[in-house]
This record gives sequence, structure tokens and C-alpha cells, in this order.
Amino acid sequence: EPEVTQTPSHQVTQMGQEVILRCVPISNHLYFYWYRQILGQKVEFLVSFYNNEISEKSEIFDDQFSVERPDGSNFTLKIRSTKLEDSAMYFCASKDYNEQFFGPGTRLTVL
Amino acid sequence: AQSVAQPEDQVNVAEGNPLTVKCTYSVSGNPYLFWYVQYPNRGLQFLLKYITGDNLVKGSYGFEAEFNKSQTSFHLKKPSALVSDSALYFCAVSALTSGNTPLVFGKGTRLSVIA
Repeated sequence: EPEVTQTPSHQVTQMGQEVILRCVPISNHLYFYWYRQILGQKVEFLVSFYNNEISEKSEIFDDQFSVERPDGSNFTLKIRSTKLEDSAMYFCASKDYNEQFFGPGTRLTVL
Repeated sequence: AQSVAQPEDQVNVAEGNPLTVKCTYSVSGNPYLFWYVQYPNRGLQFLLKYITGDNLVKGSYGFEAEFNKSQTSFHLKKPSALVSDSALYFCAVSALTSGNTPLVFGKGTRLSVIA
């Protein structure tokens, strides 16, 4: 069964550093998403992406964040200058028509 | 704006007993409704969805949910709980307005099934 994959599973970085989180969506899906979950809190929407551009973004998704689909298979989330409060689990999701399929997540720890 | 409320942080149930995890929603227009489950250190796994049609939706692992439009609820149920059902359950809603509308999640309910 096809699935969304994410790498790395755990990323530790120093405050102020740039990180890139990678996702491989399910191959025939057209809609892509990033969500995050701060420890013990609910899952929050960051950004959606369709047809090679951002469709919608939340207020969390400020100028330090960017997304890209560089090669038609990967979907990346870049955080330019990480802050302590960026520590969270980041989930990628992709969708065909109705249902979003989630990857296993990347745990980002900012020290 | 869409919103989801899961009024219970924790639900405890004895193994073999029926379980209910509550969810109410608010959305403009017709809703897409979903339940996801999260096991420790794992991602979100899809359980079931309501798009249209029969108000009682059956999903994975014996779970079902009932859509109630008048009460704006979508409670998750299972007739007989298993210890392995212990996990964090999230209700989510999406407005039926565009193909790319993101999910809005509730804060989650931790289900603990006691042997």
C-alpha cells in the first residue's frame, strides 16, 4: 500500500540554524500539506500546496518558513532560522480527493 | 472559520465495554469529518470519514462514528474496546468548499482501555 514517507525521523539543531524537512507524498496525489504538533498539543495546519504553489497558509507560516517541490516527487519544508518554539513534530500529508494521508512525522528539536 | 471541540481530554474504559469519544464541530457549509488515531511516537493513522450519505460510518479496527447534523456532532464509537485501542484520537473537519481545504483538528482525546 502506498504511503507518505518523511526524513529524517528526528532532527536536532541549534537555534538560528536552517533545517529542511523532507517528504515524499503518494505518487498520484495532487495536494500536499504540512502540519505541526507541539508536544502535548493539537495538530496545527501550516501550509497547503497545489499545482506548484502555495494554496493556503496559516498565521504560523511566517517568513521563516518556505515549501518547495523541487523535483516532482519530494516536498520540502524549510525553516530558515530556527527558534526554540519551532520544536515540534512536523507531519507531511498528501491527498487525492477526500482523504489526507499522513507521514510518520519528523521530530524537530531546537536547542 | 472551522473548529472542532473534543470535550474530554481523557476517556477510560474497561476492556470489552463500549467506548465513545466525543466530537463536535463548527463549519460553514457541509463538512468533511474525519477521525485519526495516533499511537506513541507514530504519525496519524486514518480511521474513518464522513463525506455524505449514511450517517453511520464504519471504519478501521471496528470503529464507527455517527454524524448528527442537528447536534453538529461526530462521535467515535466501538462496541467492545480492546487494550490495543489505547491511543490518542483526533477528530478533524474540513469545509466542503475547495479541494485543497486543510484539516482543522481537535485537541485530541486520550483513550485508555484497562484490562
